[in-house]
Amino acid sequence: GAVVSQHPSRVICKSGTSVKIECRSLDFQATTMFWYRQFPKQSLMLMATSNEGSKATYEQGVEKDKFLINHASLTLSTLTVTSAHPEDSSFYICSARPGPLSSGANVLTFGAGSRLTVL
Amino acid sequence: GIQVEQSPPDLILQEGANSTLRCNFSDSVNNLQWFHQNPWGQLINLFYIPSGTKQNGRLSATTVATERYSLLYISSSQTTDSGVYFCAVVFISNFGNEKLTFGTGTRLTIIP
Repeated sequence: GAVVSQHPSRVICKSGTSVKIECRSLDFQATTMFWYRQFPKQSLMLMATSNEGSKATYEQGVEKDKFLINHASLTLSTLTVTSAHPEDSSFYICSARPGPLSSGANVLTFGAGSRLTVL
Repeated sequence: GIQVEQSPPDLILQEGANSTLRCNFSDSVNNLQWFHQNPWGQLINLFYIPSGTKQNGRLSATTVATERYSLLYISSSQTTDSGVYFCAVVFISNFGNEKLTFGTGTRLTIIP
């Protein structure tokens, strides 16, 4: 089945530094990837939709300059949290599917998540 | 945007009991999935079910798209069923963009 790998699983950094999280589709090509944020005991909130070869589409309220998304290939999307602050501490999860809904690629597969702690 | 509400928010059951989790959504959707999030945060896909009924072992799901709800049934609960269950819906916006929205979640605790 489809596998999505997310790395790192856990990261602790100092305030002011930047952190990059990678999301890879291991056995399929993902034209679309999604990035979510989850606070403790809350639901997942969609941050942005990442499309291969084009700019990401950010949800309202998500700072584009704070959360940089790059989908440079069909198997890799990255989320960079720039100048991280303690309030950016959260669980970040990516998901992917082989193609757009119109192609019949319906089922989303999720990475294991990355827990970011900013000191 | 679309609203996705799940009920109940919390559910505590004895091992062996059956349960029904509900997902209500406020607009027509193109896709609906049920997930189980384990204690380590991993989301496990349970069902892709935009309509109809599906079964997989002790789990089954039914979506009535015309009435905008989906149900997840868990029979003969086991302690490993504990975790948070989310439904997530996808609809295509007027601009052709896919919008994925997660429900509020149901936290299930199975007691031995």
